Amino acid sequence: DAGVIQSPRHEVTEMGQEVTLRCKPISGHNSLFWYRQTMMRGLELLIYFNNNVPIDDSGMPEDRFSAKMPNASFSTLKIQPSEPRDSAVYFCASSFQGGGNTEAFFGQGTRLTVV
Amino acid sequence: AQSVTQLDSQVPVFEEAPVELRCNYSSSVSVYLFWYVQYPNQGLQLLLKYLSGSTLVKGINGFEAEFNKSQTSFHLRKPSVHISDTAEYFCAVSETGGNKLTFGTGTQLKVEL
Repeated sequence: DAGVIQSPRHEVTEMGQEVTLRCKPISGHNSLFWYRQTMMRGLELLIYFNNNVPIDDSGMPEDRFSAKMPNASFSTLKIQPSEPRDSAVYFCASSFQGGGNTEAFFGQGTRLTVV
Repeated sequence: AQSVTQLDSQVPVFEEAPVELRCNYSSSVSVYLFWYVQYPNQGLQLLLKYLSGSTLVKGINGFEAEFNKSQTSFHLRKPSVHISDTAEYFCAVSETGGNKLTFGTGTQLKVEL
């Protein structure tokens, strides 16, 4: 398996523009997570899905952020409108929940810069 | 809810010296514990995990960690570090049977010649 695949790897956008980050989890995994990493706040869980259903979105900063998982092999994180303070590295991770194995596999991240 | 504290933001160490990276957690329920490593411009990679059983857990790259329930700690150790171990290390916790990870703020390990 190629692992968790995120695109794009880098995104530079102007303030006010819409940004969409994409994630393809590992085949067979039933949980998907979106994290944000910044120097100030470290790694923050934004939202996670189980069997394509959002379970906990308490980490989503505000209404400008939304996430979807239309099927087991694809998820998006959208920011509309984007602001400079959204600049961060966004990680997607997936895992298989069941049988006590909770190892999460991370993608390489999307580095977002909002200017 | 769980929380993780990594008191050391940076740990400098000479090559071939031993190292310990500290992690303490707080939780009202039983937990799983993890250590992840992040190399520059990469995602996080699992080093080792404690789910149950032996409190001494061995992971990849010669790392090990010991779960101490009374001290609520899960410190990471390596007897002899290599330059290639330079990276950021994250301790994480989840509820037993759960899969929502809470991460510490990370410890930057810098191995010098």
